[in-house]
Amino acid sequence: QKEVEQDPGPLSVPEGAIVSLNCTYSNSAFQYFMWYRQYSRKGPELLMYTYSSGNKEDGRFTAQVDKSSKYISLFIRDSQPSDSATYLCAMGPAGGTSYGKLTFGQGTILTVHP
Amino acid sequence: GAVVSQHPSRVICKSGTSVKIECRSLDFQATTMFWYRQFPKQSLMLMATSNEGSKATYEQGVEKDKFLINHASLTLSTLTVTSAHPEDSSFYICSARRQLTNEQFFGPGTRLTVL
Repeated sequence: QKEVEQDPGPLSVPEGAIVSLNCTYSNSAFQYFMWYRQYSRKGPELLMYTYSSGNKEDGRFTAQVDKSSKYISLFIRDSQPSDSATYLCAMGPAGGTSYGKLTFGQGTILTVHP
Repeated sequence: GAVVSQHPSRVICKSGTSVKIECRSLDFQATTMFWYRQFPKQSLMLMATSNEGSKATYEQGVEKDKFLINHASLTLSTLTVTSAHPEDSSFYICSARRQLTNEQFFGPGTRLTVL
């Protein structure tokens, strides 16, 4: 079983829809969480960074973390065609020998239709 | 915002040559940088962790003599692919961890093609 599970999709939605992207994890040492957006042939772009359970909002994006259930989500409101990309969840431990290293989900391919 | 640059963005070389890729954090200091490799339609595979002023730490299965990493300053890390072969063709991406936080910012990537 992978440490981080993410549904690869693909996910296809109409413009304006609310998108929900999810990851589950098994390693309780993971204490901080990130969501990245990656366009084809580009490096990942950091969208959201959080280290506590609860919600964090930034514009059209909301990151949700539930450490008790080992489950994180990214919500995109009013989705736009420019949001079409691969979305990667990533997480890491607060200490130990793997401190600083990120473990990534497989990535979800999202397409937003005009 | 935090910007990480990579150079070159694309390189084509002959088999047997060495290729150097630079990764720079432009507006913040990074004591730690990471080098990843990404195959088409796959997630990122961590190759090594680069620490300023010390030797890099390589992931299992990554040949340290083939992928030479140098972290010369708080803003620069380099990856040299030595004696490149066609199987080394890939998309190489670096990231830099902002000092005092755990945020990692990625460079735009370097596409290496070995003929």
